[in-house]
Amino acid sequence: EDKVVQSPLSLVVHEGDTVTLNCSYEVTNFRSLLWYKQEKKAPTFLFMLTSSGIEKKSGRLSSILDKKELSSILNITATQTGDSAIYLCAVGGGGSNYKLTFGKGTLLTVNP
Amino acid sequence: EADIYQTPRYLVIGTGKKITLECSQTMGHDKMYWYQQDPGMELHLIHYSYGVNSTEKGDLSSESTVSRIRTEHFPLTLESARPSHTSQYLCASRPWGADYGYTFGSGTRLTVV
Repeated sequence: EDKVVQSPLSLVVHEGDTVTLNCSYEVTNFRSLLWYKQEKKAPTFLFMLTSSGIEKKSGRLSSILDKKELSSILNITATQTGDSAIYLCAVGGGGSNYKLTFGKGTLLTVNP
Repeated sequence: EADIYQTPRYLVIGTGKKITLECSQTMGHDKMYWYQQDPGMELHLIHYSYGVNSTEKGDLSSESTVSRIRTEHFPLTLESARPSHTSQYLCASRPWGADYGYTFGSGTRLTVV
């Protein structure tokens, strides 16, 4: 059974701190790993990492895929209160029946 | 602005009622999905479709049913709602081709009393 485990489950930091969120996975026929940010409504897409694109960066956010360790990290530098959200890791696999398996998410709270 | 729409956003209904949660997308995506998410828990796939007249059950057993008569429309129906169906239901879609992320709708938060 495909599995995605995220840690920590929750994290409280102060504005300006740097945080690292972790995601490990066991998925059949791995194709991609995705990070989403979920505030009150729908998850919004952040990054997709694949075998051909193991590192992505956008502003203060960056992510790296370690295919050997079957894991990924999401880094957020100089955190802001607007970064408070649940960060979801999802892994795509399953060959021809490609589908995403989600972790439980990390609840990040950034205090002023 | 979202290109995938879910209605209603919130719904409170009584036990035993039949309900349909609507999901529509304007992107022409072939693949559509329904996920169920309880607070503090991961998203669980309950149904998916790879195109018109194609529907499959997901990983999480669900008493709901779906239909896909048109590419853009993927409604989910509960014939007889129960309190155990209280949850958030998220609809998502993606184009054909494995290495694309999903686009999610805003979700329907269902409460069965």
